[in-house]
Amino acid sequence: QSVLTQAPSASGTPGQRVTISCSGSSSNIGSNTVNWYQQLPGTAPKLLIYNSNQRPSGVPDRFSGSKSGTSASLAISGLQSDDEADYYCAAWDDNLNGPVFGGGTKLTVL
Amino acid sequence: EVQLVESGGGLVQPGGSLRLSCAASGFAFSDYAMTWVRQAPGKGLEWVSGIGGGGISTYYADSVKGRFTISRDNSKNTLYLQMNNLRVEDTALYYCAKDRYINFADPPTSWGQGTLVTVSS
Repeated sequence: QSVLTQAPSASGTPGQRVTISCSGSSSNIGSNTVNWYQQLPGTAPKLLIYNSNQRPSGVPDRFSGSKSGTSASLAISGLQSDDEADYYCAAWDDNLNGPVFGGGTKLTVL
Repeated sequence: EVQLVESGGGLVQPGGSLRLSCAASGFAFSDYAMTWVRQAPGKGLEWVSGIGGGGISTYYADSVKGRFTISRDNSKNTLYLQMNNLRVEDTALYYCAKDRYINFADPPTSWGQGTLVTVSS
């Protein structure tokens, strides 16, 4: 059982905009920033978003993040077949004194 | 470019021990906290342990506390995870990851490719 809650799956068609949500509590998302990772099949996670809404260099601006209260969202616009992957949210947890992760959302591009 | 290369995984019997290593390059190793995260087959990501840049402050998930020990050798740019009294449920791909700051206080940013630990009789 993951500390952060994500829907197990999401889907969209090429060109569409998809949103993936992540729900937490006051000890994690409510008081800290959120990271989002993309994990392509058979590969290591890759940082997509940090500080809730910042993109590392090299990440396309099709990917955007937001946070409100104890929830966060990752939006992917102009969906491409290459975006088919697992997406994880993460945040520092002040009670656990460590990072906590969501269970991951498997994105399928139809 | 940040590079993290894990090694030391393998097959071990329940109750056995393994020592994982992570060779880091491409950044000032001692200026950053480091983290171990694991992923059981077909499952999500689980934080295991973290260590500050100076190597003094260490942190553990409850599931491994008292069995695993994290350490680092800043002169060798290497992170370690000593795993004792291994259990079947410790079977996972273990990732080494670099944090944003010198203090362990944020989720990781860069990840290695992982090393597989299988605990089975």
